[in-house]
Amino acid sequence: ETGVTQSPTHLIKTRGQQVTLRCSSQSGHNTVSWYQQALGQGPQFIFQYYREEENGRGNFPPRFSGLQFPNYSSELNVNALELDDSALYLCASSLIGQGQETQYFGPGTRLLVL
Amino acid sequence: AQKVTQAQTEISVVEKEDVTLDCVYETRDTTYYLFWYKQPPSGELVFLIRRNSFDEQNEISGRYSWNFQKSTSSFNFTITASQVVDSAVYFCALSGSSWGAGGTSYGKLTFGQGTILTVHP
Repeated sequence: ETGVTQSPTHLIKTRGQQVTLRCSSQSGHNTVSWYQQALGQGPQFIFQYYREEENGRGNFPPRFSGLQFPNYSSELNVNALELDDSALYLCASSLIGQGQETQYFGPGTRLLVL
Repeated sequence: AQKVTQAQTEISVVEKEDVTLDCVYETRDTTYYLFWYKQPPSGELVFLIRRNSFDEQNEISGRYSWNFQKSTSSFNFTITASQVVDSAVYFCALSGSSWGAGGTSYGKLTFGQGTILTVHP
């Protein structure tokens, strides 16, 4: 158990809709990162939040956006869903700046876009 | 740009065999961090080991050991006396040390494609 939780576990949406995924970080961690994992692929970095600011973004369009709250929980929002957005979305938390670069992952949210 | 390559797509072994998973990486950062994660069918990525680039000492932890060779940019992972419960997808990952507007690699994990390990009874 990493202490990182995500909700919901599964989600089905239709093309064009919007979705919000939630993550609760491990206690004491100050950084949240989001990854997208398509079937049969390695996870791809979406973005990272440190102290409520976006700090680094992967090759994802602006319709992928996020928030980090003062309690270090986080949201991933995806607008105008496309079929290719179907994937496992993983949240990871870490304590950057303290020599603790290891990221601990939550169980993920499986998103299916029809 | 960072890149991680896991050349082995699938490995199949019989229980109690030793198995080595290969990983080769590319980075421009002088300080970086290497990881191995395990992903069972449930989907959650489980942290296994981490190695800092400035520490080339290889270690053994229970049935796990790793071989970090900076000269060849490789970070191989060995499971000794494999068990059926070791069956999973294994990912090698890399994060750098760059931070800020010029591009952040610190805390950004770049993953390989994964190696599917199947251990038969």
